[in-house]
Amino acid sequence: NAGVTQTPKFQVLKTGQSMTLQCAQDMNHEYMSWYRQDPGMGLRLIHYSVGAGITDQGEVPNGYNVSRSTTEDFPLRLLSAAPSQTSVYFCASSFQDTSGNTIYFGEGSWLTVV
Amino acid sequence: QQPVQSPQAVILREGEDAVINCSSSKALYSVHWYRQKHGEAPVFLMILLKGGEQKGHEKISASFNEKKQQSSLYLTASQLSYSGTYFCGTGLRSNDYKLSFGAGTTVTVRA
Repeated sequence: NAGVTQTPKFQVLKTGQSMTLQCAQDMNHEYMSWYRQDPGMGLRLIHYSVGAGITDQGEVPNGYNVSRSTTEDFPLRLLSAAPSQTSVYFCASSFQDTSGNTIYFGEGSWLTVV
Repeated sequence: QQPVQSPQAVILREGEDAVINCSSSKALYSVHWYRQKHGEAPVFLMILLKGGEQKGHEKISASFNEKKQQSSLYLTASQLSYSGTYFCGTGLRSNDYKLSFGAGTTVTVRA
């Protein structure tokens, strides 16, 4: 019963380096998203996808790329890391039913850019 | 635009009650409540929909005032396990997967 799985859990990058945060879900959810969480600012949406092959920007997309080639996977790429991207990143998936859409979060990835 | 949560923090003794508010400047369809323990992922508590009923989960319940675009989360007879940061997320439409989250309310329950 894995749910939403993110890797790595911790990462330190140097300014200018690139990396990919991996996210996979095994619940067959259509909708997946990436949030970043900074102190005092709650969760902010970076990118989201409503299905395989479809992605769109959220509130804070600059410096990040995503792709959705399968229902299960939704990787987040940092193109050229900057100290401002130091944050905790959460991947999430959700589905819609008569009760609304429940979002399931992964355990988070702590990223430090030095 | 992110919803506004109040208070920012609250300290309780076991057995005490607390209310957390979430307000939006936009007309809302749904309000979602999550709790996050330190170093962990946010965990879903409940959803309130426009036209729906007040919800409850053990001794945690919530209401949604559609006219005021405001939701309140009620912690009743608090337990140590209620400690954490509570977030509200708001949706504008029935098929809206995108939520805007408030900055959170940190609840500390002491013995």
